[in-house]
Amino acid sequence: AQSVTQLGSHVSVSEGALVLLRCNYSSSVPPYLFWYVQYPNQGLQLLLKYTSAATLVKGINGFEAEFKKSETSFHLTKPSAHMSDAAEYFCAVSPQTGANNLFFGTGTRLTVIP
Amino acid sequence: EAQVTQNPRYLITVTGKKLTVTCSQNMNHEYMSWYRQDPGLGLRQIYYSMNVEVTDKGDVPEGYKVSRKEKRNFPLILESPSPNQTSLYFCASRMTGMVGELFFGEGSRLTVL
Repeated sequence: AQSVTQLGSHVSVSEGALVLLRCNYSSSVPPYLFWYVQYPNQGLQLLLKYTSAATLVKGINGFEAEFKKSETSFHLTKPSAHMSDAAEYFCAVSPQTGANNLFFGTGTRLTVIP
Repeated sequence: EAQVTQNPRYLITVTGKKLTVTCSQNMNHEYMSWYRQDPGLGLRQIYYSMNVEVTDKGDVPEGYKVSRKEKRNFPLILESPSPNQTSLYFCASRMTGMVGELFFGEGSRLTVL
């Protein structure tokens, strides 16, 4: 079975501060990992993905995430928050092969304070 | 423009009144899927389809039906809606083999009274 746990349902940061959203995964087989972003009243949009190549993955809008097998983590970071980053962020996991589903975390809502 | 289109975007209905949420994609994707999003639960898969005439249950299929008669369309049918089906629904699609790289519609917010 595969699952992800997102620590913190709400995170607030000041504009210009570091953004750190936490995701830990549980998987019996090597997984693929993803971060999605959901802006208000919109569908989810793929932010970045880890598919067993480089462990540090860069995505859109200046976000990046690092796959750490020893910590079973895939935390999302951005050096400097912008007001436009306010959204809900979802971590997701799937097996590398035979996947018919993505398993999503419960989401973290990011608020950026001016 | 590549997109997944859902209709209606908002719907209020009553218990037992059949409804259909349509989903259409213009990217020639083989794989399509329906999710429901509930507070504190994230997204859960209802049904998915690997290709035309091939559908299968996801994690929460009870009370829902789907069909895939054409590649671009994947409607979600609630034969007899109940209040516990009040939720935000998303349709998504992807190419075969592109695991996890889903394109989502904008969502359909359904309220069942």
